Amino acid sequence: NAGVMQNPRHLVRRRGQEARLRCSPMKGHSHVYWYRQLPEEGLKFMVYLQKENIIDESGMPKERFSAEFPKEGPSILRIQQVVRGDSAAYFCASSHNSGYSYNEQFFGPGTRLTVL
Amino acid sequence: KNEVEQSPQNLTAQEGEFITINCSYSVGISALHWLQQHPGGGIVSLFMLSSGKKKHGRLIATINIQEKHSSLHITASHPRDSAVYICAASHYGGSQGNLIFGKGTKLSVKP
Repeated sequence: NAGVMQNPRHLVRRRGQEARLRCSPMKGHSHVYWYRQLPEEGLKFMVYLQKENIIDESGMPKERFSAEFPKEGPSILRIQQVVRGDSAAYFCASSHNSGYSYNEQFFGPGTRLTVL
Repeated sequence: KNEVEQSPQNLTAQEGEFITINCSYSVGISALHWLQQHPGGGIVSLFMLSSGKKKHGRLIATINIQEKHSSLHITASHPRDSAVYICAASHYGGSQGNLIFGKGTKLSVKP
């Protein structure tokens, strides 16, 4: 049973380009979470999605950032018109829906975005 | 002041030592998570707890809800335990994904 997969592992973009980060959750998991870790800073929550629904996007910047988790395929975090300040490690995590309010999250290896 | 505070920020230990990492939080929580981030950057979930104590191998996590404090203990530490240990709180009333993270404790275990 493969773990959470993220690709690409490293992504280099020039200012103004678009970045697309993909996350495939563990098999059987229907909840996906995106977190960002800026250089020398702690992790910060960005968005929580279930299939075809955004549950909580309170951590997402209001502009240029969007996320989706379609019925088929991976979850996508999209950053339009990237700026140098977007350079960070972006982690995805997934969990199943056990019926409890809070479930253990399993993390992917992260995508390291560098904006030149 | 951060809502989740960890101490110490950095910790160096000799192999075999007993290690304690502390986490204090100021918000009401539904669950407290301990994560391990390896030098390569990967993150592993170690524990999720809302009361009492959990043990897995040489790792023990405890939480005191009244005092809003959790500890992570490592017994018989080993150089492979060297990593950053991160405490994260699921804010009560928030969505389960909306974790509030501490800044991490960087542990280095010397042989």
